Amino acid sequence: DIVMTQGALPNPVPSGESASITCQSSKSLLYSDGKTYLNWYLQRPGQSPQLLIYWMSTRASGVSDRFSGSGSGTDFTLKISRVEAEDVGVYYCQQFLEFPLTFGSGTKLEIK
Amino acid sequence: EVQLVESGGGLVQPGRSLKFSCAASGFTFSDYAMAWVRQAPKKGLEWVATIIYDGSSTYYRDSVKGRFTISRDNAKSTLYLQMDSLRSEDTATYYCARHNNNLDYWGQGVMVTVSS
Repeated sequence: DIVMTQGALPNPVPSGESASITCQSSKSLLYSDGKTYLNWYLQRPGQSPQLLIYWMSTRASGVSDRFSGSGSGTDFTLKISRVEAEDVGVYYCQQFLEFPLTFGSGTKLEIK
Repeated sequence: EVQLVESGGGLVQPGRSLKFSCAASGFTFSDYAMAWVRQAPKKGLEWVATIIYDGSSTYYRDSVKGRFTISRDNAKSTLYLQMDSLRSEDTATYYCARHNNNLDYWGQGVMVTVSS
């Protein structure tokens, strides 16, 4: 199984500052079609997860451009610019390259 | 508007069975693969199973293979999860999600508690 390892944030993050969440996969997620099968999700408190970023760097419909994804085949970063109160929650990375689909353990974002 | 609405969770004893469903609307259900993802209390997300658009192929995580069955009724736009031989470690909120090279829409979740 592909293991996804997420880094922690130095919480709380001051409102208006930037935050970067790292994620590492145990296998390259770059597929032969040129796409990198890495997704990011946000689960706000008490809510279902929502898709933020897919194919490593493509924002999902309706997602603020304050969210951006980048990386290589095994090392990824989700950057949140100018954090706001509504960004609070747990962020998960997930690989979609092969079954079983696997998630990182989650990174909690708190705002000061 | 895409909507996924789960129903049928509850309290069940270890070793017993439970089946719940996810009603989809707002998109052509038969065009998409669908998935179940679970989240144990205070824990992270765990993919459980996926079924492709026409139901001809299914995929499961190892810990549920042989015990859980994912199925769908495209005429009713409904996804199902039959869970047999339940264990305490199956206690979780179960979400259905549309599987589209990502999980782009999620239901509100249904809680399943396995306890005597």
